[in-house]
Amino acid sequence: LAKTTQPISMDSYEGQEVNITCSHNNIATNDYITWYQQFPSQGPRFIIQGYKTKVTNEVASLFIPADRKSSTLSLPRVSLSDTAVYYCLVGDGGTGFQKLVFGTGTRLLVSP
Amino acid sequence: IAGITQAPTSQILAAGRRMTLRCTQDMRHNAMYWYRQDLGLGLRLIHYSNTAGTTGKGEVPDGYSVSRANTDDFPLTLASAVPSQTSVYFCASSVGGGGNIQYFGAGTRLSVL
Repeated sequence: LAKTTQPISMDSYEGQEVNITCSHNNIATNDYITWYQQFPSQGPRFIIQGYKTKVTNEVASLFIPADRKSSTLSLPRVSLSDTAVYYCLVGDGGTGFQKLVFGTGTRLLVSP
Repeated sequence: IAGITQAPTSQILAAGRRMTLRCTQDMRHNAMYWYRQDLGLGLRLIHYSNTAGTTGKGEVPDGYSVSRANTDDFPLTLASAVPSQTSVYFCASSVGGGGNIQYFGAGTRLSVL
């Protein structure tokens, strides 16, 4: 299993860009990197997934360097509603089954 | 589209009682999962099923059992509840296993007294 390491918490202000970095030194060739967001009293929600380089959707961007041993979730112009816990996971995106490890995530607090 | 439905939403249970948490998905996903989340901690995998008819143990399986009789349903049973099983339980599903995107239910908040 590929283990991930992320900061326990981060603080930001409304309108700022937030970058959360995740380390995954043991990532395997077939592993994809996936980020989830969790609000209090709710289940995690998929944000973005990538394999290499850069992926962007309407919510966030994901930057993955060539060695893939880390990844950075970028949230542009955060608002108060982005206050949540963010989880980085790595796992086989193909047909092989793996048990994913969520870890404790990064608690992001956005202030006015 | 309902996605994943969990029931009940919350439950208070006496220690020693048997309890089944229900999980149903309508997305025809092959893989399903049960996690527990304790205050201040991340999600820990209890059991999983990568296809109907098969199940496997996750990180914290003791005291829990699951079954996967069909694609849609994945119930989690506590045979004899103990206070340490007080937690929020989330069910999830994905098209395949591993890194495939997982879709989560709203959770069941269980208190064992």
